[in-house]
Amino acid sequence: GESVGLHLPTLSVQEGDNSIINCAYSNSASDYFIWYKQESGKGPQFIIDIRSNMDKRQGQRVTVLLNKTVKHLSLQIAATQPGDSAVYFCAETNRREAAGNKLTFGGGTRVLVKP
Amino acid sequence: SAVISQKPSRDICQRGTSLTIQCQVDSQVTMMFWYRQQPGQSLTLIATANQGSEATYESGFVIDKFPISRPNLTFSTLTVSNMSPEDSSIYLCSVALGAPNYGYTFGSGTRLTVV
Repeated sequence: GESVGLHLPTLSVQEGDNSIINCAYSNSASDYFIWYKQESGKGPQFIIDIRSNMDKRQGQRVTVLLNKTVKHLSLQIAATQPGDSAVYFCAETNRREAAGNKLTFGGGTRVLVKP
Repeated sequence: SAVISQKPSRDICQRGTSLTIQCQVDSQVTMMFWYRQQPGQSLTLIATANQGSEATYESGFVIDKFPISRPNLTFSTLTVSNMSPEDSSIYLCSVALGAPNYGYTFGSGTRLTVV
């Protein structure tokens, strides 16, 4: 069957190491950013989000960094585990605290965790 | 967050035929979105579907090819019409959440193969 991420850039990481996934966004008006994880055969799953009034936000084993000056977003995964193997997408939107603005997705990065 | 049920989960269709994909949400939502994910690619927005109004299509997508229904606040359908092999993709529905989360949830997708 089809696989997600066949043609996407791949990040190979040793189990236990930290992973850093980068994303460049294009719209300077975007004020809300989300990282999604997509495993084969599934829809994108929310990992962490960040608003434009922040430059860092931490979750469980994940940290998102936002640099608005250069329009760059990164996702750091601490102590990468085999279950982290998936394709990761960043997404941006201009929400202005109102529900419903469309998301624009980045190209995606496939993370492969080596045991 | 909202739970989305999307069906069919996969289908193999003959060229020239049409397939209707259903998206059911367990709560009322204002905005629903339909995405296409071509093999090994990121997600591309097809259209935004609001209840009680015509869907808004993105550049490159037209209503004749991808008619959308949104009869109520918990349901939407996307039809892929007059299919060709180039329509082979994963099709995903998504909903925008309201306060306090303002996030987006995705269905598990419909994997369409056109032969």
